[in-house]
Amino acid sequence: SAVISQKPSRDICQRGTSLTIQCQVDSQVTMMFWYRQQPGQSLTLIATANQGSEATYESGFVIDKFPISRPNLTFSTLTVSNMSPEDSSIYLCSVESGKAYEQYFGPGTRLTVT
Amino acid sequence: AQSVAQPEDQVNVAEGNPLTVKCTYSVSGNPYLFWYVQYPNRGLQFLLKYITGDNLVKGSYGFEAEFNKSQTSFHLKKPSALVSDSALYFCAVRDDAGNNRKLIWGLGTSLAVNP
Repeated sequence: SAVISQKPSRDICQRGTSLTIQCQVDSQVTMMFWYRQQPGQSLTLIATANQGSEATYESGFVIDKFPISRPNLTFSTLTVSNMSPEDSSIYLCSVESGKAYEQYFGPGTRLTVT
Repeated sequence: AQSVAQPEDQVNVAEGNPLTVKCTYSVSGNPYLFWYVQYPNRGLQFLLKYITGDNLVKGSYGFEAEFNKSQTSFHLKKPSALVSDSALYFCAVRDDAGNNRKLIWGLGTSLAVNP
């Protein structure tokens, strides 16, 4: 399994500002995923990030609002831009473990927008 | 279209009793099926998966799940529940067709094990 860390673990931000969330993996992985989760609810996939290519966004999510970088095989960032209170959520990154198919998750970033 | 259903929002069991958390799925190809657990204020943890082979798969913490192709189900089970099993459980599915590695997630089932 992969060990994944995220920074920051939590933040409180003002409306209209941007926050960049970092995801670091202890091994090289091809695919990384960014999710959003309201506490106690299911996961919503924001985008899939492959190294060396543009991220693929799910319906309802756009690059201008959630730009993603994937500079190498162990690191990715998700930026939440021009934040509003509706962006308050837990943001999770995950990686797929190669041939084993399962995904492993970071601890999450709890974002509160005031 | 791919989908996952967890028909129960909440399951309550007494400690020591067997537990079942239900999951049904719909995919166009062969399913890859997964169970994850989320303890309060903690991240998601992988429990077990079915990719191919034996329909009964065993995972972490004494959990197991049975793949039933005719009923398109993948129910999570444990013979004897512990209070520490109380958590939120998610079923997820992926289609083996093409290069789509995206997981489709159920809405989750909250398991409460009462002492």
